Amino acid sequence: DTGVSQDPRHKITKRGQNVTFRCDPISEHNRLYWYRQTLGQGPEFLTYFQNEAQLEKSRLLSDRFSAERPKGSFSTLEIQRTEQGDSAMYLCASSPQFGVGYTFGSGTRLTVV
Amino acid sequence: DQQVKQNSPSLSVQEGRISILNCDYTNSMFDYFLWYKKYPAEGPTFLISISSIKDKNEDGRFTVFLNKSAKHLSLHIVPSQPGDSAVYFCAASALSSGGSNYKLTFGKGTLLTVNP
Repeated sequence: DTGVSQDPRHKITKRGQNVTFRCDPISEHNRLYWYRQTLGQGPEFLTYFQNEAQLEKSRLLSDRFSAERPKGSFSTLEIQRTEQGDSAMYLCASSPQFGVGYTFGSGTRLTVV
Repeated sequence: DQQVKQNSPSLSVQEGRISILNCDYTNSMFDYFLWYKKYPAEGPTFLISISSIKDKNEDGRFTVFLNKSAKHLSLHIVPSQPGDSAVYFCAASALSSGGSNYKLTFGKGTLLTVNP
């Protein structure tokens, strides 16, 4: 297993366009998380899946954001009608059932122009 | 409201000396603390953690100290090496509280530069 993979690494999009990011977690991890990091800040929690169930969404996740994890494997994060304020690094992480031993992916850097 | 605070945005030390990175927290429900290291264009990498039932945890050159009464923890790196230059994030979790025990709350990070 090569760890948590995120695709794409970089995405530049025009304001108003939709974007989708993909995360492939470590295969034996049933927990998956999305975090967002903006310049000068630490990662901020967005949402959490246990297997295919999305169990929590932060209030940071507006209605324009949607995340899925079909079949409890990979996950996608979609942002509709992107705004310049969405520009950030989007980090995916996974962990086993117990403990907080997160493994992060390298992130997707989104730039909205 | 910042529940995890890293008040020093940056720290510069000489190779071979000790690096001390500090972190304060306000939420008394936090009972598990972690340090992550982050290089540019990479995701955070887990470094070391400590449970609130301990006051010290050591792993090679890295030691984390926890002072629960002061709600303060620190990461010591001895001896510091140029390869340690990175952003260090302190993170906290309410591991035993049930509910959102999986969620990590991060500080803003401290940029450590180790000069040769």
